[in-house]
Amino acid sequence: DAGVIQSPRHEVTEMGQEVTLRCKPISGHNSLFWYRQTMMRGLELLIYFNNNVPIDDSGMPEDRFSAKMPNASFSTLKIQPSEPRDSAVYFCASIQTWGAGGYTFGSGTRLTVV
Amino acid sequence: KNEVEQSPQNLTAQEGEFITINCSYSVGISALHWLQQHPGGGIVSLFMLSSGKKKHGRLIATINIQEKHSSLHITASHPRDSAVYICAVTGNQFYFGTGTSLTVIP
Repeated sequence: DAGVIQSPRHEVTEMGQEVTLRCKPISGHNSLFWYRQTMMRGLELLIYFNNNVPIDDSGMPEDRFSAKMPNASFSTLKIQPSEPRDSAVYFCASIQTWGAGGYTFGSGTRLTVV
Repeated sequence: KNEVEQSPQNLTAQEGEFITINCSYSVGISALHWLQQHPGGGIVSLFMLSSGKKKHGRLIATINIQEKHSSLHITASHPRDSAVYICAVTGNQFYFGTGTSLTVIP
């Protein structure tokens, strides 16, 4: 398996633009997580899905953020409109809930909003 | 109040030293995870524990469910162990510690 695949690796966008981050989890993993990492706050859980259903989105900072998981192999995190304070590294991770393995993280998307 | 507390926040060690990083949590969990992040790098899962002890190479992770405490030990530390180590717990919800930044000096 190629691991959790995120795209793009880097994104630079202007304030006010829409940003879409993409994630392909590991096949067979039934839980998918979106995290944000900043120097100030460390790693924050934004939202997670179980069997493609959003379970807890309490970490989503505000209505500008939305996430979807239309099927077991794909998820998106969208920010519209983007703001400079959204600049961070966004990680996607997947796990087989109740399985023997741990998290597998993607390489992250470094987002810069100017 | 943080559901997951790690200590120390920062740690500097000489190459070869035995290192211990601690994690305490206050919620019910199904599993505890130790993650590693090298500077500017991705995040790698080192261990997932629900009881007892696990060992992988020079890394050992232990958990005491009754005391809600876990430790990550590194034997014969090496400069390549320099990274941030993050404790995370999973259960009904998911929580992360703020990480321990380890620097191993040659």
